[in-house]
Amino acid sequence: QKEVEQDPGPLSVPEGAIVSLNCTYSNSAFQYFMWYRQYSRKGPELLMYTYSSGNKEDGRFTAQVDKSSKYISLFIRDSQPSDSATYLCAMSLTYNQGGKLIFGQGTELSVKP
Amino acid sequence: EADIYQTPRYLVIGTGKKITLECSQTMGHDKMYWYQQDPGMELHLIHYSYGVNSTEKGDLSSESTVSRIRTEHFPLTLESARPSHTSQYLCASSERGLEKLFFGSGTQLSVL
Repeated sequence: QKEVEQDPGPLSVPEGAIVSLNCTYSNSAFQYFMWYRQYSRKGPELLMYTYSSGNKEDGRFTAQVDKSSKYISLFIRDSQPSDSATYLCAMSLTYNQGGKLIFGQGTELSVKP
Repeated sequence: EADIYQTPRYLVIGTGKKITLECSQTMGHDKMYWYQQDPGMELHLIHYSYGVNSTEKGDLSSESTVSRIRTEHFPLTLESARPSHTSQYLCASSERGLEKLFFGSGTQLSVL
């Protein structure tokens, strides 16, 4: 069983829709949770970063962590064609673990005009 | 402009050739990493470095080697490329103590 599971999609939505992207994980010791966005033929870029349970909002993006259910989500409001990309969840045990992150396999999102 | 650069972007090479994938960053980060990414699969850490003359193998076994002689430079070498090495290789860096990775655009390697 993989430590992090992510629905690979692809997910296709109309412009303006609310998008929900999700990951589940098995290791209850994970404390740091990230979402990366990866455009085609580019490297991933950090989108959201949260510690432990709770919500974090940044513009149209909201990251949610539910440690009791071992479940994290990324919500995109008023989705735009420019949001079309692959979204990767990632998590780590400790703050100083640096790049030793466990990644999900990514969800490919397409936002149609 | 502070950034992280990978060259070449694409490389097609024959079996048995020696190759070096270049990675340089101008952000002054101590930590650097190499990840391998196959289509539809998660990123896997193959090498990392926490500073000059420090290199470690990651979670995914790899026949590649790395060196860290200068802070800004973290090249990856394959002594004898094989078709099983075909993949995308992503270099990343981060500040000491932070989880935020900055990725390069990657090198897509195809070994024929």
